[in-house]
Formats: sequence, structure tokens, C-alpha cells
Amino acid sequence: NAGVMQNPRHLVRRRGQEARLRCSPMKGHSHVYWYRQLPEEGLKFMVYLQKENIIDESGMPKERFSAEFPKEGPSILRIQQVVRGDSAAYFCASSSRVPDTQYFGPGTRLTVL
Amino acid sequence: SQKIEQNSEALNIQEGKTATLTCNYTNYSPAYLQWYRQDPGRGPVFLLLIRENEKEKRKERLKVTFDTTLKQSLFHITASQPADSATYLCALDVGIFYNQGGKLIFGQGTELSVKP
Repeated sequence: NAGVMQNPRHLVRRRGQEARLRCSPMKGHSHVYWYRQLPEEGLKFMVYLQKENIIDESGMPKERFSAEFPKEGPSILRIQQVVRGDSAAYFCASSSRVPDTQYFGPGTRLTVL
Repeated sequence: SQKIEQNSEALNIQEGKTATLTCNYTNYSPAYLQWYRQDPGRGPVFLLLIRENEKEKRKERLKVTFDTTLKQSLFHITASQPADSATYLCALDVGIFYNQGGKLIFGQGTELSVKP
């Protein structure tokens, strides 16, 4: 039973470029969450999505960040016009129902040069 | 706003001893609390979930307690091993207070080091 998968594992972008992070939830899970972990800081909630719907985006920065979870395919976290402050580890988690245990992926480490 | 605090200092113990980690929260009463383990460069791994009506929960060498009066959870690892060295995170779902849930807030984590 494959766990949560994220790709790429490492992503390097120059300032002003776009970053796309992908997340495939565990089989049978329809709830996806994105978290960000800045260097030397704790995990911070960004957004919660259920197939085709954004349920809670209270942790998303107002500009440049967006997320989607289409009917088919992985969830995508998109960061436009990246800045150095976006450098962090981005983790995706999934669950089969809510509220319930969330299972995390290995993360994508974004470095902005 | 909701706040979770964990031992900010690293915990160093000798192999075979019991490690006890603390998680304190303020401002609300969660329905459940979760503990995760995180190794450097890896994603958090779920360990245990304890509900508000459960005082204690065990899984192999792990034990979690949940005191809703003190607003505190304790996480114990008995007969600790060097392989238990990691950062341990506690998390609460605050989303259930305004929608169906899902928004976890995490403590800063406590770094545990078990020496042989």
C-alpha cells in the first residue's frame, strides 16, 4: 500500500520563476492537506482540499500561492514568482475522512536562488 | 489564538531509560491530539492519536496521556533506544471548530537524543 507521494523531492528555482509541487494521496484518501516548514520553524498549515474543492485555505499567503486537487490526478501547490523567503520544505498529507489521522509524504524541498 | 508548546530544549537520555515529552496547549479544548515523529529531511510519521475521553493510550513502548483539565499531553518512550532519536511533534486539529476539521497546528517539536 503506497504512502503519500510527492514530487519532485528537491526543486531549485530562481527568483521570479514558478514552482509546481505535486502530491498523490494514499490510495482511498480523498482529503489532502499542504503544510510548510521553514528552516528552524515548525510545520504550518497552508490549505485543505477535497476532490475539486478548497475546504480551508486559511494558511495560504494571499498572493502568489494557489492549490488544486482535480477530479483526476495529483494535488498541485503552485507558487508564482518565487522569492527567497519561499525556500522551505513543503509537505503534503492525506486522510480518508475528517477529522482523522493525517499521513504525510516525504516533502518537497524548495530552494530559491 | 490557539497555541501549542513543547519542551523547547533538546532531551538527552541514556539508552534503556524512559523519555517523557510534554505538550501544553491553550485557549481551546480539542477533541483529540496526535503525536508524530520526524527525522531530519523526512516527513512526519504518525505515532499515536488520543481522544478527549481517553486518559491514556499505549502502543508497544509508547504511551500517551491526555489531561484536558491541565490542557496537557505527555508522551513516554520506555526502554528507549538510540533508534528513537528524532524530533517528536504534537498536533491538534483546530479546523473542527469552524468546519469539518483538518487544520492541524503543530508544536515546535522536542528533539530527543538517546545515547548508547
